[in-house]
Amino acid sequence: AQSVSQHNHHVILSEAASLELGCNYSYGGTVNLFWYVQYPGQHLQLLLKYFSGDPLVKGIKGFEAEFIKSKFSFNLRKPSVQWSDTAEYFCAVNAGAGTALIFGKGTTLSVSS
Amino acid sequence: GAVVSQHPSWVICKSGTSVKIECRSLDFQATTMFWYRQFPKQSLMLMATSNEGSKATYEQGVEKDKFLINHASLTLSTLTVTSAHPEDSSFYICSARDGGLENTEAFFGQGTRLTVV
Repeated sequence: AQSVSQHNHHVILSEAASLELGCNYSYGGTVNLFWYVQYPGQHLQLLLKYFSGDPLVKGIKGFEAEFIKSKFSFNLRKPSVQWSDTAEYFCAVNAGAGTALIFGKGTTLSVSS
Repeated sequence: GAVVSQHPSWVICKSGTSVKIECRSLDFQATTMFWYRQFPKQSLMLMATSNEGSKATYEQGVEKDKFLINHASLTLSTLTVTSAHPEDSSFYICSARDGGLENTEAFFGQGTRLTVV
């Protein structure tokens, strides 16, 4: 069965600091990878996704993620965080079109101004 | 992106009653919809996969007689929590994928906060 592991439960940063959130998945086959963000009181929004091709994926709001197949990882990065990036971040994986997303436990990011 | 609308956004019900939650894809046809449950400060746990016109597939540990899922059309799936109890209080989220497109992500509804008193 697939599983997703997010290493950081709660990350606290100051504005302008760089961010990297770890995500590892467990699945032997081809996967699609996603990062979602959930702002307080709002629904999940897609930050970025990887299906195939360039393993460095750029998403919205300056976020990017790199798929490293050999490490089963899909870490999320942002060079300089803003206070408005305070939110819950979820890494997710599915095994292909039409299959359900399996989510990691999430990482709470708190950015102080 | 595509829009998935979930209704109601929040509901309070008495223990023993049933509650229906609707999930609609507003601008695309969703052959498959997914229902998740999210406890406070925790991740989304998949409850079931719903395919239009067929029975839902439930994840292990999810009671199908308690969480009734109906996916009668390509734009609507419903989750009915039957004989609700306080332990069913949670945040329920649906997602849907445009069945006509390859390599697209699933879109999420805004969620329904259920409180059983």
